[in-house]
Amino acid sequence: SQTIHQWPATLVQPVGSPLSLECTVEGTSNPNLYWYRQAAGRGLQLLFYSVGIGQISSEVPQNLSASRPQDRQFILSSKKLLLSDSGFYLCAWGGMSSYNEQFFGPGTRLTVL
Amino acid sequence: KQEVTQIPAALSVPEGENLVLNCSFTDSAIYNLQWFRQDPGKGLTSLLLIQSSQREQTSGRLNASLDKSSGRSTLYIAASQPGDSATYLCAVPPPKDTGRRALTFGSGTRLQVQP
Repeated sequence: SQTIHQWPATLVQPVGSPLSLECTVEGTSNPNLYWYRQAAGRGLQLLFYSVGIGQISSEVPQNLSASRPQDRQFILSSKKLLLSDSGFYLCAWGGMSSYNEQFFGPGTRLTVL
Repeated sequence: KQEVTQIPAALSVPEGENLVLNCSFTDSAIYNLQWFRQDPGKGLTSLLLIQSSQREQTSGRLNASLDKSSGRSTLYIAASQPGDSATYLCAVPPPKDTGRRALTFGSGTRLQVQP
């Protein structure tokens, strides 16, 4: 069966510090991978998606970047965090088509102080 | 632009009660609709995926229905239990010809089942 992991689970970082969140998927090959952010009162927002190694697309401009160095690894990064980057970051995977089910990881709670 | 609405925003029921959560969407040209459960501080758990060609999908005590023409889906929970307490979210994918990937989520219904 497929599983999705995210770490760290919780992170508190000062403004201006770098960020690296990692997501890995097991039990599937060539998944579509997604990074969402869930901010209080704002619902879920898709930040990045990837259909393959090295292929990254962004849905909204922001202070963050993403990379996919391996088939089942998806990384969310920032060089300098802003207060507005605080939120709950969720990684998800889905089949080749975006119309398949999406399965979410446990999330990372990021607080920028 | 697709908009997804969930009513009510919050619901509190006694244990054992059957209940219905509602999800409505403005663009009926959807390919599927997915229901999720989110516990506080946790990720989303996929409950049911109902294809546009289906009218119902069942998993245990959960039953999801879909009426594309009216832009509505319902999630029926039978014999509710305190462990069902969570936020329930519905989501639809973007149209195929837009090149977009983001699911459009409703704002969720926060359910509390009282023991």
